[in-house]
Amino acid sequence: GQQVMQIPQYQHVQEGEDFTTYCNSSTTLSNIQWYKQRPGGHPVFLIQLVKSGEVKKQKRLTFQFGEAKKNSSLHITATQTTDVGTYFCAGPDSNYQLIWGAGTKLIIKP
Amino acid sequence: SQTIHQWPATLVQPVGSPLSLECTVEGTSNPNLYWYRQAAGRGLQLLFYSVGIGQISSEVPQNLSASRPQDRQFILSSKKLLLSDSGFYLCAWRGQPSSEAFFGQGTRLTVV
Repeated sequence: GQQVMQIPQYQHVQEGEDFTTYCNSSTTLSNIQWYKQRPGGHPVFLIQLVKSGEVKKQKRLTFQFGEAKKNSSLHITATQTTDVGTYFCAGPDSNYQLIWGAGTKLIIKP
Repeated sequence: SQTIHQWPATLVQPVGSPLSLECTVEGTSNPNLYWYRQAAGRGLQLLFYSVGIGQISSEVPQNLSASRPQDRQFILSSKKLLLSDSGFYLCAWRGQPSSEAFFGQGTRLTVV
């Protein structure tokens, strides 16, 4: 079946360093969504990308959707402690049900 | 505005006991409703989804069942809990096939 692979599983960074997580789908996606889950919390929607090659920015966060609409990335510039959490990507299957990546946990080194 | 309510926030249950988790959505009609489970430090596992009253799709065969008795109410149940049922249970809704998911606060279930 359709799969969405997300890497890395964890990323440890010093505060102020950059962070990137990548998603790859086994099939072309109509859109891709990104969510953030703070420790102990629930996933919260961040953004949706729809167009091939689309790039969107939210302050220090940059989201990209690949030209083939099969991959996507989230890049955070100069991480802060408030960025800590797990970032998930998700894309709809042929029945419009979301297929989720496994998530990338951002950990700030003390 | 739309809101989603899920309760209880935490639950400790003995093995073999029944379970009932409830989720309700306000401010929207005919939502797609979802139950997910998340093991500690892991991703989201879709358990059930529903596109309408009485319509339940099961993604993973297991010790759990779901029901949708009303348009905006989604219930997750078990007759006899297993230790492996422990986890963080999340209810979510989506309004349109291409729309984003909105999650409840989650229920942290520990089976002892």
